[in-house]
Parts: sequence; structure tokens; C-alpha cells
Amino acid sequence: NAGVMQNPRHLVRRRGQEARLRCSPMKGHSHVYWYRQLPEEGLKFMVYLQKENIIDESGMPKERFSAEFPKEGPSILRIQQVVRGDSAAYFCASSPGGAEGYTFGSGTRLTVV
Amino acid sequence: AQTVTQSQPEMSVQEAETVTLSCTYDTSESDYYLFWYKQPPSRQMILVIRQEAYKQQNATENRFSVNFQKAAKSFSLKISDSQLGDAAMYFCAYRRNGGATNKLIFGTGTLLAVQP
Repeated sequence: NAGVMQNPRHLVRRRGQEARLRCSPMKGHSHVYWYRQLPEEGLKFMVYLQKENIIDESGMPKERFSAEFPKEGPSILRIQQVVRGDSAAYFCASSPGGAEGYTFGSGTRLTVV
Repeated sequence: AQTVTQSQPEMSVQEAETVTLSCTYDTSESDYYLFWYKQPPSRQMILVIRQEAYKQQNATENRFSVNFQKAAKSFSLKISDSQLGDAAMYFCAYRRNGGATNKLIFGTGTLLAVQP
């Protein structure tokens, strides 16, 4: 079992470009969570998805950020027109659902220059 | 809204000694989980220990144990016989049980240094 796979591990974007972060959950997991970690801070919840559905997006910024988890393929966190303040580590986690615990990926570090 | 507070930004311990990391939380819920996660420089989030709020017995995992005080809303982590590999950032986290979401609420972390 390969665990939760995130790629790329590092991503550099210029201001105004788009960033796409990918997350492949563990085999058998149909629940995906995205978190953002700003420098010197803890992780902050962004969005919770099940296959083809957004369940809770209460932590997502209202503009420029979107997430999807299609029937086939990885979950994608998309950030349009990136700004310097988007520089952070973005973590994905997956779970089989219910009260079962999460497994985290190793994160994608986004740097906006 | 639920909050998690870690009041110790940094801690240091000698190898083989014991250290306790503090965490307090605020919630009006009665059914929830509490966690300690370790984040080494590799950035990987590693689950150290988990406590279910309805269980009075404190969780233990080898050298790691917790002191869960539900009435005081306190959840400290004790690391015994500290090893160099324990050096990392440690995050306390809360998760409500039930409801539509299983999101975790994290504290700001405690950076633990282990001195040889």
C-alpha cells in the first residue's frame, strides 16, 4: 500500500499563474481532506471531499481556490492567479470514512515568486 | 467554535529524559477525539497517539502517553526516555465525532529539541 501520494513535492509559480496540486488517496479510501500550513503555523482545514462531492468547504478561501475529487483519478486542489500569500505547504489526507483515522501525504510546498 | 491551544512554542529535553508537552482545547461537544501528531523536518505528519473523549483511561503507545483531563479540557503528551529521533514539531489536534465532517482542528505546535 503506497500511502497517500501527493505531487509535486515542490512547486514554484510566478504571481498570476495557476497551481494544481494532486492527491491520490490510499487504496480503498474514498474521503479526502486538504489542509494548508502557513510558515510557523499549524495545519488549517480547507476542504473535505468524497468521490464527486464536496462535503465541507468551510475553510476554502472564497476566490481563486477550488477542489475536486472525480470518480476516476486523483483529487485536485487548484489555485488560480496565485499571490505571494498562497506560499505554504498543502497537505492532503485520506480516510475510509466514518470515525476511522486519517493518513496524511507528505505535502506539496508551493512557493510563489 | 472549537479551538486548540499549545502554549509552548519550543521545548528542549536531554536524551533519555522525560518531557511533557501541553495542550488545551475548547469545545461544547462531549464526543470527540484528541490527537498528537509529529512533524519531522521531512514534513510528513505522523500520528503519535489518539484519545477518545468517552474513554477515561489515558492512551499510551510505547514511550508516549497522554494525560487527558476532560473537565479541565487538557491533553498533554509525555515522552519518556527521549531519543534523538523524537526531535520534531508536535501538533495537538481535535476532531468532533459524528456530524457531516471529520475535519481536524490543530494547535500551533511545539518544536521539541532533543539534546545528546
